Amino acid sequence: SQTIHQWPATLVQPVGSPLSLECTVEGTSNPNLYWYRQAAGRGLQLLFYSVGIGQISSEVPQNLSASRPQDRQFILSSKKLLLSDSGFYLCAWSVGTGGPRGTEAFFGQGTRLTVV
Amino acid sequence: RKEVEQDPGPFNVPEGATVAFNCTYSNSASQSFFWYRQDCRKEPKLLMSVYSSGNEDGRFTAQLNRASQYISLLIRDSKLSDSATYLCVVNRGSYIPTFGRGTSLIVHP
Repeated sequence: SQTIHQWPATLVQPVGSPLSLECTVEGTSNPNLYWYRQAAGRGLQLLFYSVGIGQISSEVPQNLSASRPQDRQFILSSKKLLLSDSGFYLCAWSVGTGGPRGTEAFFGQGTRLTVV
Repeated sequence: RKEVEQDPGPFNVPEGATVAFNCTYSNSASQSFFWYRQDCRKEPKLLMSVYSSGNEDGRFTAQLNRASQYISLLIRDSKLSDSATYLCVVNRGSYIPTFGRGTSLIVHP
């Protein structure tokens, strides 16, 4: 069966420090991968998605970047964190060959980031 | 207009009640629709897919109205454990899940 791992679960970082969040998926090949952010009391905002190694699409301009160095690894980074980067970061995957109707997304447990 | 819109609630209902949530979407070409459940400070989890003909899973019934571009979720015989935020999801293209803001449900004794 497929599993998704995301770490760390919680993180407190000072303003201006770098960030690296990692997500890996097991039990599937060529998944679609996603990074979402959820601010307190708000909905999920799609940050990045990837349909293959090295292919990254950015949804909104921001202080963050993403990379997919391996098929089942997705990394979210920042060179210098801002206070506004605080939030709940969620990695997700979906079947890469889901057909025209697509398939549902499955989420990791999330990283709660607080920038201080 | 937002891609996916939901009434944030909260919906405050007694145990045993029937409650319905609606969600509207803007892209008439959308093909995939889902309801997710999110507990406080947890990741969203798939509750059910939504099919054109409507579908049921135990106490939960999902309906899709393509003409009016809305999706509904009906929960019958509400349980305390149903208290959560319910997220409407519409895929943009075939593989970009777009989430509504969520509807909060509180079931009280």
